[in-house]
Amino acid sequence: DQQVKQNSPSLSVQEGRISILNCDYTNSMFDYFLWYKKYPAEGPTFLISISSIKDKNEDGRFTVFLNKSAKHLSLHIVPSQPGDSAVYFCAASALGYGGSQGNLIFGKGTKLSVKP
Amino acid sequence: DADVTQTPRNRITKTGKRIMLECSQTKGHDRMYWYRQDPGLGLRLIYYSFDVKDINKGEISDGYSVSRQAQAKFSLSLESAIPNQTALYFCATSDNGQKNIQYFGAGTRLSVL
Repeated sequence: DQQVKQNSPSLSVQEGRISILNCDYTNSMFDYFLWYKKYPAEGPTFLISISSIKDKNEDGRFTVFLNKSAKHLSLHIVPSQPGDSAVYFCAASALGYGGSQGNLIFGKGTKLSVKP
Repeated sequence: DADVTQTPRNRITKTGKRIMLECSQTKGHDRMYWYRQDPGLGLRLIYYSFDVKDINKGEISDGYSVSRQAQAKFSLSLESAIPNQTALYFCATSDNGQKNIQYFGAGTRLSVL
C-alpha cells in the first residue's frame, strides 16, 4: 500500500503563475518531508524539506506547507518559470525513530510543465 | 566532477547475463542507497548500506545483490538479468545527520532483452 501519494501525474501552468504540487501520506510516524526535482537524464536533486514541528518552510520561490492533521503537504512555486519544468517527487521519512525508519519513501512524482 | 558517479550510464544486456552497476561518491558520506525507477512507480529502494560493514535489503531486493567495497563505493549486481529488471537505476548517498537528505547520481538506464 502506498504510504506517500502524489495523485496528480501531471500539471501544466502558465509562466509567472503559481504552481501547486500536492502530496498525501498515510503513516503517522513520518516526521520529515522532502521535495526533489528531476530533469530528464539526470538524478533527482533535493529542493526543500520540512520537519513535522513546522507547518511552513520557504526558500526563495519555493514554499512547502504541511498539514499534519490532514496528512497533506504541498509545494508552491511562485512565480513559475519554464526552467521549473521537471518531475517533482515528494518523499517522507520517520527520522525520529532512527535506523531504517529514516529511509525515504517516495511518491510516484508529478510532471510539471511551465508554458511560456 | 559529480559528487555521486554512476557507471555505466546506459547498458543493454541479454536475459540471463550477470551485470554490475557501480557507484562511487566523493561526499564522504557513510550511507549509500540503490533505487530503481519505473515509469509511473516513482523510486523504490533496492538495498542500502549505513556503513562499510552494514548491508540491508530494501523494498524490492529479490534478484539483486550489492557489495560495499569501501566507504566511497557501492555496487549493484543482477546475477541473472531478466526483462522486468529493465529500468532506471539510481545510487544515492547521505550523511548520518538529522536530516536524511540524499544526493543522487545521474542514473544508469538498463535494458534487458
